[in-house]
Amino acid sequence: DTAVSQTPKYLVTQMGNDKSIKCEQNLGHDTMYWYKQDSKKFLKIMFSYNNKELIINETVPNRFSPKSPDKAHLNLHINSLELGDSAVYFCASSQVYYGYGYTFGSGTRLTVV
Amino acid sequence: QQQVKQSPQSLIVQKGGISIINCAYENTAFDYFPWYQQFPGKGPALLIAIRPDVSEKKEGRFTISFNKSAKQFSLHIMDSQPGDSATYFCAASGGGGGSQGNLIFGKGTKLSVKP
Repeated sequence: DTAVSQTPKYLVTQMGNDKSIKCEQNLGHDTMYWYKQDSKKFLKIMFSYNNKELIINETVPNRFSPKSPDKAHLNLHINSLELGDSAVYFCASSQVYYGYGYTFGSGTRLTVV
Repeated sequence: QQQVKQSPQSLIVQKGGISIINCAYENTAFDYFPWYQQFPGKGPALLIAIRPDVSEKKEGRFTISFNKSAKQFSLHIMDSQPGDSATYFCAASGGGGGSQGNLIFGKGTKLSVKP
């Protein structure tokens, strides 16, 4: 019974396409996050969302947008995909908003060709 | 601006040895310092965490040492095992709302434990 699940695990797509990555958590956590891990393994926050407040990292292009239909889901939509978007994207959740005890999903490897 | 600096980038240790990974932070508002372990193809998993009101925390073979005045903290893995081979990330976050609450990660250390 996976705590934070992401789909798909792998995503290969062409430049210019629009794609979505889904994330669901069954931990009852209040806050969810999206992180990007580049080829050098660097983990960078993209968004945090706690159903009251969306915090966007200012370096994230506006082609990326989070969508939260309910507290247990935070999906990531990406428009007009570029080669540089290729990375592993991780969803995470935590009980409270202060970064304590994140639980990560297993990641989605996005390859843009 | 990199708020959490981690070293070394890679580390090779013999089985049974001690692995030491160091991190330094800049933001004095940080009040939570976790370490995460990541195996290939998996997401990072919380290993151990410390708050600045203590100087050391131990869980099994894993120990965090924290030096508030120097703004540094480190992970020690005692009796390192081949199964400990993974990438380790230090992280930090601060209380309060807004972006202060997000975990900021170091760049990671790839640990290889040789049998």
